[in-house]
Amino acid sequence: DSGVTQTPKHLITATGQRVTLRCSPRSGDLSVYWYQQSLDQGLQFLIQYYNGEERAKGNILERFSAQQFPDLHSELNLSSLELGDSALYFCASSPRDYADTQYFGPGTRLTVL
Amino acid sequence: SQQGEEDPQALSIQEGENATMNCSYKTSINNLQWYRQNSGRGLVHLILIRSNEREKHSGRLRVTLDTSKKSSSLLITASRAADTASYFCATDGGTGRRALTFGSGTRLQVQP
Repeated sequence: DSGVTQTPKHLITATGQRVTLRCSPRSGDLSVYWYQQSLDQGLQFLIQYYNGEERAKGNILERFSAQQFPDLHSELNLSSLELGDSALYFCASSPRDYADTQYFGPGTRLTVL
Repeated sequence: SQQGEEDPQALSIQEGENATMNCSYKTSINNLQWYRQNSGRGLVHLILIRSNEREKHSGRLRVTLDTSKKSSSLLITASRAADTASYFCATDGGTGRRALTFGSGTRLQVQP
């Protein structure tokens, strides 16, 4: 158990809908990272927050947004969903603002029908 | 896009044998890490090697890093059925060294 929690575990929704994925980092970790894992694109970095501030952006679509709250939990919002958004979404946390060891949550499996 | 490419894509061995996976990357790095993922589950950090290190050991794992060739290898000795998983290398090159860029992974199957 990494200490990182993600909810929900599974999400099934329809195209055009909007969903919110939630992540609670390990106790004491200030950085939260979001990654998307799909069969065709592999593991892709989406976005990072450190202590409430956005710090780095990767291949995140404009339809996707995220935030980190004062209690350090983070939410990833996916809107106008398309079939191709079906994937595993992972949250990871680390104590620092740079890419050292990251601790991954169990992931949310999103299926868009 | 994937920074790292792993080789082989899939590997099948018998219990007790050694497994070697290779990773190549493109940009300069501060560190390179290896993670394991059991089917459909979260990634587990295995080992981190910094750019000024050439070799590192952790239990049955041995990692080497050659920054001149931009490559790394992960050796798992005396493999067990429980080692069956996908293995990914990840580097901190790019994105202001804040996020990890993952390779495509090696699927390891250890036959009992």
